[in-house]
Amino acid sequence: DAMVIQNPRYQVTQFGKPVTLSCSQTLNHNVMYWYQQKSSQAPKLLFHYYDKDFNNEADTPDNFQSRRPNTSFCFLDIRSPGLGDAAMYLCATSRPWTSGYNEQFFGPGTRLTVL
Amino acid sequence: TQLLEQSPQFLSIQEGENLTVYCNSSSVFSSLQWYRQEPGEGPVLLVTVVTGGEVKKLKRLTFQFGDARKDSSLHITAAQPGDTGLYLCAGASGTYKYIFGTGTRLKVLA
Repeated sequence: DAMVIQNPRYQVTQFGKPVTLSCSQTLNHNVMYWYQQKSSQAPKLLFHYYDKDFNNEADTPDNFQSRRPNTSFCFLDIRSPGLGDAAMYLCATSRPWTSGYNEQFFGPGTRLTVL
Repeated sequence: TQLLEQSPQFLSIQEGENLTVYCNSSSVFSSLQWYRQEPGEGPVLLVTVVTGGEVKKLKRLTFQFGDARKDSSLHITAAQPGDTGLYLCAGASGTYKYIFGTGTRLKVLA
């Protein structure tokens, strides 16, 4: 089945210790997104890629970086995690918006704990 | 700034009851999605509505897009405990961006 996969599902890191979260997709979608979601809140967009074109949200902290080496994979790097970065991180994909059906498909998420 | 307000924020009902969740904005969206999210999991897409006035049904769930494409509603008939979760609406906006609603947490009691 075509899908969005996130690894690991649970990640524990220490305050200030860099961490990388990964996302892969078998949907062959051009657009990939990273969201941060804190408890019972709506997902907050951090950035998105259209192919290799990177689009950062204005309020995304510099502490968060991303890489997309190819269509299938995308990584979220948190350079110096703080306690406030503990959250669920969601990866999502979508096709180009050439039709009215601008749908996103989400992975299962990675829950990050910062000690 | 585009906003999507959902109401109610929280809803606790008995099994078998009906309910409606609203998603409202002052902005027009080219399409709107509804998701359900369970604890510890990613949101799962339920439906996409595109045309003003469109109504879509998914078993006991009925989704409607407002005529002006600024609002939407989700109606659940005869709710079951399996319907429990966080319901999110999201409007397609700008270039490859989605504006998420504030969320409705539903609990259906057996």
